[in-house]
Parts: sequence; C-alpha cells; structure tokens
Amino acid sequence: KAGVTQTPRYLIKTRGQQVTLSCSPISGHRSVSWYQQTPGQGLQFLFEYFSETQRNKGNFPGRFSGRQFSNSRSEMNVSTLELGDSALYLCASNRDIYTGELFFGEGSRLTVL
Amino acid sequence: GENVEQHPSTLSVQEGDSAVIKCTYSDSASNYFPWYKQELGKRPQLIIDIRSNVGEKKDQRIAVTLNKTAKHFSLHITETQPEDSAVYFCAGTTGNQFYFGTGTSLTVIP
Repeated sequence: KAGVTQTPRYLIKTRGQQVTLSCSPISGHRSVSWYQQTPGQGLQFLFEYFSETQRNKGNFPGRFSGRQFSNSRSEMNVSTLELGDSALYLCASNRDIYTGELFFGEGSRLTVL
Repeated sequence: GENVEQHPSTLSVQEGDSAVIKCTYSDSASNYFPWYKQELGKRPQLIIDIRSNVGEKKDQRIAVTLNKTAKHFSLHITETQPEDSAVYFCAGTTGNQFYFGTGTSLTVIP
C-alpha cells in the first residue's frame, strides 16, 4: 500500500512568487490535512479537507489556500511568498480525521529567498 | 481553540535511562492524544496514542499516561536506546482538528 506522497520534495522561490504543493493520500483516505513545520514552532495546522470540502482552517493569512479533488488528492497554494514562509510543509491523510492516526508524507521543503 | 504545550523542548539522557515528556492541553473536550516521533529528515510517525476514556497505555518500552482532571498527558520511554533519538510531538484533538505541541528533541547518549 503506497504511503502519502508529496511533490515536489524541495523547491526554492523568491519573494513575491507563488507556489503550489501537491499531496496524494493513501488509497481510501478521504481526509487530507496540511501543516507547516518550522524550528521551534512545531506543526502548525493550515487546513483540512474531506470529500473536496474544507472543514477546518488554521490561523494563517489568506495567501495560504488549498483544495481537494474528487480522487482525494490535495494541493495547497501560497501566493506572494514571504521569507517567513520558508518551512517544511507536511500533509497527512486518514480515512476521516475523526478516526485517529494521521499518516504523514515526507513533506515539501520550501525555501524563499 | 485548543492549546497544547509541551516540555521540555530538549532532553538528553544516557542510554538505558528513562525519558519523560509532558504535555498539557486546554480544551476539556479533547478526547484523543497521539504521540508522533520524527527522526531527522523523516516524516512524523505515530508511536502511541490514548483516548480520554483510558488512563494509561503501554507498548513495550513506551507508555502514555493521561490525567483528564489536570489536563495533562505524558510519554514515558524506558531503557532508552540510541535509535530513540528523535523529535517527539504530542497532540490533542476533539476530532476535527489536531493541535500539536512544539516538539521535544530527545538525544540518547551511548
């Protein structure tokens, strides 16, 4: 059974640009959530999608957005990149976020110059 | 919303000693408390979890305790080994959103 797959794994952007990250969940998993990981800040919740609907959103500015497709794959987009957006972006999937264990991808490491 | 605090941020122990990491939460409605281990450069992986109707759970060298009254839960690792060196995250959830602590970097010194 394939795990959670995130692409790209690494990317470098400059301030003002935008970026799109992709996440393919484990087959059968309908909930996908996104987290930003930075040193000292832990895992900060961005948003969660289930069946193409955003059910929850964390305290991030509107520059951070996402969506989920009918096959449960999800994308997140960050527009007008700032230096502080440099981080590891992790996505996680499970059958439904109410059922427990999150399965994480390896993350997309974004560096903003 | 929920607020999960985790201590200590760093922890060094001698191989064979025990390690304890503590977390507190604010929302009494939280009912599921997982612990994730993240090795350097790897994805976080669930190592143990506990639900609010249970006070303690053990899996070999790892145990988690939950005190609902005090709103805190702890991870206990006994007989630590070098491969236990990693960052550990606690989390709490009411079901629709996970709130993670800021992580504890555990170093086991051989």
